[in-house]
Formats: sequence, C-alpha cells, structure tokens
Amino acid sequence: KNQVEQSPQSLIILEGKNCTLQCNYTVSPFSNLRWYKQDTGRGPVSLTIMTFSENTKSNGRYTATLDADTKQSSLHITASQLSDSASYICVVSSGGSYIPTFGRGTSLIVHP
Amino acid sequence: GAVVSQHPSRVICKSGTSVKIECRSLDFQATTMFWYRQFPKQSLMLMATSNEGSKATYEQGVEKDKFLINHASLTLSTLTVTSAHPEDSSFYICSSKTGTGLNTEAFFGQGTRLTVV
Repeated sequence: KNQVEQSPQSLIILEGKNCTLQCNYTVSPFSNLRWYKQDTGRGPVSLTIMTFSENTKSNGRYTATLDADTKQSSLHITASQLSDSASYICVVSSGGSYIPTFGRGTSLIVHP
Repeated sequence: GAVVSQHPSRVICKSGTSVKIECRSLDFQATTMFWYRQFPKQSLMLMATSNEGSKATYEQGVEKDKFLINHASLTLSTLTVTSAHPEDSSFYICSSKTGTGLNTEAFFGQGTRLTVV
C-alpha cells in the first residue's frame, strides 16, 4: 500500500529561525515528489517538485531534498517569516497514472 | 504556473438542498480534474477523477449519485452535492494536472468551504 508519512505533525518556531520538515514514503514505482503549502481555508500551492534524479531543489527560502534510496525527503525553511505559518504537505506520485498519495501534513506556526 | 479557479469559496445551504461547485482551468486545457475532500486537520482525500467528455471515476466509498461530477469542456468541471446533509459539511478542493511523465504537476483551486445547516 502506498503511504506518505510526515513529521512532525506540528511545529512552533520563532520568527527568523530555520526549521526542517520530514517526509518518508513507500510509494512505488516512484514518479515525483512535491511539497505544497496550504494556508488555512485555501487550496495547496506548489513549492517544489522533484523527480528521482534530483537531490535538491530550492524555491526562495524553501529547499527540498530527496533521497530516492531511503525514500525520504525534507523541506528546509530558512529565516522563517510569520507568513510561513501554514500546513506543509508532501505528495508522492506513482508510475505514469499520476494519482498522488498525500501526507497528512505538518502544521507550522511561526511566532513573532 | 497554471491557474485553477474554484467557485464559490464559501457556501452555506439548508439541509436537503443541492450545491454546485465550479472548477475552471484559466490558462490551460484540463482533460483531467480531480476532486478532493478535506476534513479539519486531515489530509486531502480523493473523491473522484473527472475526465472531459466521459463519466467520472469515483473512489471507493464515494456515492456517485450524491456527488455528481460533470466535465463537459476542457476548462470546466463541476461537483454538485445533492440533497446535502450536515455530515457533508467539509472543505472541497479541485485540482488539475499539467505536464507529462515525470514532470506531471498538480495545481489546486482555492477550495470551497461547504456548511450545511
């Protein structure tokens, strides 16, 4: 069964600090992995997308890593801002059919 | 990136009435759209896959007669919640995929908060 596990479930940090979110998956065959940011009451917005040949990808203060051997990914947020408070969702797609498997998300709260 | 517009963002309806949610791809043709449901602090749950010009494919446990999906054009898919009840209150999100193969990516609508009273 395809599964995506995220940790921690929730995280509270002070503004300006860095943080790292984790994603472990058992999706097979692997197609791509994406990180999304979902603000409360809004649809998810894509941050990064990585295929099996990519180890790292950055989008501003967001840097995602992928280890296809251990089936792990991380999302690192640098110099956090209050607007980073949201749910971060890891999504892994399998094969060529696209149907994605969603993680439960990590709820991040950035305090001033 | 591609833009998917979902409307309305919020709707409150009486129990027993029907509600239609629209999902439009604004700058690309969407042959396939996906409809999700999300409960508070839970992950998105795929309800159905909508293909232009054909019947939607529903996930196990999703009532196709209750959640009617129409995908009559390449830019519009609709989800109608028929005879809504309070337990149908949830956050509904549509998405469409772009790209091919390994670079396939999903873009999501803004979501619709449905409250049935």
